[in-house]
Amino acid sequence: EVQLLESGGTLVQSGGSLRLSCTASGFFFSSYSMTWVRQAPGKGLEWVSTIAANGVTTIYGDSVKGRFTISRDNSMNTVFLEMSSLRVDDTAIYYCVKEGGNALQGSGYATLASWGQGSLVTVFS
Amino acid sequence: QLVLTQPPSASASLGGSVKLTCTLSSDHSDYVISWLQHLPDKGPRFLMRLDGHGTHLKPDGIPDRFSGSSSGADRYLTISSLQPEDEADYYCQSWTADRRFFGGGTKLTVL
Repeated sequence: EVQLLESGGTLVQSGGSLRLSCTASGFFFSSYSMTWVRQAPGKGLEWVSTIAANGVTTIYGDSVKGRFTISRDNSMNTVFLEMSSLRVDDTAIYYCVKEGGNALQGSGYATLASWGQGSLVTVFS
Repeated sequence: QLVLTQPPSASASLGGSVKLTCTLSSDHSDYVISWLQHLPDKGPRFLMRLDGHGTHLKPDGIPDRFSGSSSGADRYLTISSLQPEDEADYYCQSWTADRRFFGGGTKLTVL
């Protein structure tokens, strides 16, 4: 069974930094692209960032580009989201997601196949 | 760029059926999408992958009550024999080489 466990969410002041972690189990982690998705209070789902299985190719949503960095450690089955210059509108539940394949390296579909329970990040001014 | 359009709300009766719609932008009318179910206070759940021919692939554990179909740029999720636990937000999702996209979501109320 695929399991994704996010951690690191907390209360942080505007302008600050935070690192989220997601530890995966139940599948061959180093074969899949991994994605972060967030949901602000009362809003829909918003794509944040995706990283290829080999950790080389990364892509970002416009609202976080230049402020957030995604990375992964395949030896630890963990994906990270380093967030800096945080703003009040970054307040959201952040979900770690296993994609259905490794589309960033041309293999499989970029379906959002398995989701964690989420980690709450609250940014105050 | 790719846009996914969903009506914000839908309702149907307990035991009945409902057909939810996701419309792709015209330049992307042949794209594959995913349907996701999001229950309150839980992580979203992947329901199926659906292509432009109506071929849908569900992971293990998704009941047969959930099915997908397509017509042109429209992608549909049909839920039959509605149960109280089907009341949720439903999102469609797709992708390009450098981005992932979500529809705005449809809030389904089971009456």
